[in-house]
Amino acid sequence: NAGVTQTPKFQVLKTGQSMTLQCAQDMNHNSMYWYRQDPGMGLRLIYYSASEGTTDKGEVPNGYNVSRLNKREFSLRLESAAPSQTSVYFCASWRGAYEKLFFGSGTQLSVL
Amino acid sequence: EDKVVQSPLSLVVHEGDTVTLNCSYEVTNFRSLLWYKQEKKAPTFLFMLTSSGIEKKSGRLSSILDKKELFSILNITATQTGDSAIYLCASYNNNDMRFGAGTRLTVKP
Repeated sequence: NAGVTQTPKFQVLKTGQSMTLQCAQDMNHNSMYWYRQDPGMGLRLIYYSASEGTTDKGEVPNGYNVSRLNKREFSLRLESAAPSQTSVYFCASWRGAYEKLFFGSGTQLSVL
Repeated sequence: EDKVVQSPLSLVVHEGDTVTLNCSYEVTNFRSLLWYKQEKKAPTFLFMLTSSGIEKKSGRLSSILDKKELFSILNITATQTGDSAIYLCASYNNNDMRFGAGTRLTVKP
């Protein structure tokens, strides 16, 4: 049982380049989330998807777009990367209320 | 705006000490509060709290929620070096899961 699979694990981009972070879960969860983690900032919610076909902005959505391709997959796209987007990105999925979040292993992204 | 505030932001103790980590929240439509431990990579789940006054325990760790005063505490007794980590609390409000900034705990031998 793979849980939440997140790719890539590491990525280096130049300012202005674009890329997509992929996330897939095999637990049949309805809700999926994208967080970023910067030193001293905890986890900040970028976007979430409460169910297939819906997406909503979180605390820090600027500079990002998301796609809930199907129930399994939730991708995060940086259209024009900026150094301020250097961070560790986590995808998570969740069955719903009164359950715990399941996290992917994270993506270390550096934008030069 | 919903927010989750943890204190202290960092803490250094010696093995055997007892520590208390704090988490306060201001969240509309609050449903539950969760504690996670983060070492090198992704956070790992510790507790979920939904009702006031009911202590959850797991070994040397325990946690309790006060829904009237809007806070939770995480206690760790007889700390060990393996407890060194970032401890995160998060609130769920019917839509999303918001995290605090975390408490970085360092346990020295």
